[in-house]
Order: sequence, then structure tokens, then C-alpha cells
Amino acid sequence: GEEVAQTPKHLVRGEGQKAKLYCAPIKGHSYVFWYQQVLKNEFKFLISFQNENVFDETGMPKERFSAKCLPNSPCSLEIQATKLEDSAVYFCASSQTGQAWNSPLHFGNGTRLTVT
Amino acid sequence: GNSVTQMEGPVTLSEEAFLTINCTYTATGYPSLFWYVQYPGEGLQLLLKATKADDKGSNKGFEATYRKETTSFHLEKGSVQVSDSAVYFCALGYNFNKFYFGSGTKLNVKP
Repeated sequence: GEEVAQTPKHLVRGEGQKAKLYCAPIKGHSYVFWYQQVLKNEFKFLISFQNENVFDETGMPKERFSAKCLPNSPCSLEIQATKLEDSAVYFCASSQTGQAWNSPLHFGNGTRLTVT
Repeated sequence: GNSVTQMEGPVTLSEEAFLTINCTYTATGYPSLFWYVQYPGEGLQLLLKATKADDKGSNKGFEATYRKETTSFHLEKGSVQVSDSAVYFCALGYNFNKFYFGSGTKLNVKP
């Protein structure tokens, strides 16, 4: 498609429950990114993929967060045993190539995760 | 390291006022610079970009010039509208998609 599609729009989980978020990048885009937006608008990079391969995972909290981009499936971000501090809006973005100068990020509308 | 610093908001202006949102950066090498805009309930949308020093990016009446000597990329618009109310993010990006975002500046435009 022509847009980055994220589902669900809202997700509510009790502390300790699992949360799974999905992202369908724009068709033809090779790179997928996950960002976490917390209070005061700060964007925290989590992980990026080049096709189905992890490209950069320096932002991922290793213990509870995992992500995948499998062929012919939406990409996913999973949080095991959610904590209150995981409450945030999670954005997925995609880009066509690895060259920032001609391939900016295209963002989805985000998934708002609320952990209660 | 690489970082982006934006002026803290919110910035409140009357319609048709002149807008400046300051952005300075620290970077190694030669990044591209971007302004993104976020409307309520939505993701970020690319507003404009500049890929090398002295380039001017422009879109929808907004402009920003890549100033290497002052490491700045200030966003300007001559006459803002109520519909410009949003959060604006300055960002720098390298090849292989390393992007660094500022903390955002909220703009409120009153009729």
C-alpha cells in the first residue's frame, strides 16, 4: 500500500501481560523502523530492519522487547510482561533505500499502548 | 555524538504572524536535515528537507536553510494559519537510515 499501516490503534494491557503491535510498511520499502514516543514528545529509536534482517537494534530493551519482519507478513513488535513505563505511542516507519538524502522516513499513525 | 536541540514550546502565535522555530545540531560527517510535522493523533509527516550545506528546503510556505557554520536549521514561515497548529520535529539523518530527532516544538496558532 501507499501508507504505513499500524494496528491496533489502541491497546490496553494489565501490568505483566503481553502486548503485540503490527506494522505493514509501504510496498517496495526495504527498511522498517520502530520508535517509542513517550511524554513530552521524545522519540526513542528501538530497532530497524532491512527486509527481514535486523539492521540496528541498539535501542531495544533486550529483556522484554522483541521484533520481527517476516516475508509476506506484517512486521511485529512484542513486549512480554509489560510494565507501566511501557505506556507510550509506538510508531512504525519505513523507507525505500538506505540513503537518508533521498529516502526520508514515512510514518504510520502509531499504536497507543496503555499499561494499567 | 549526534544530537538535535530544538527550542522548547509551546509557541503561541496569532494567525498571520511570522514563525521561527530554532533547531541546532551536533553531527559528525555530512547528514541530511529534515523538519517533520505531527498533527494530533497522527504520525510524523515530512515537511521539508535539505541534503547539504546552504541548501534551502521549502514546502507549504515553510522554509529552512542548512547552515553548517552555525550548525542550525531553523524553520520559518512568513504568515501562519490556524491549520499549522501541530508539533514540529527537527531531525538529522545519515545513510543507512540513522535518524536523530529533536524533542519537538508545539505550535499553537490562534485566530
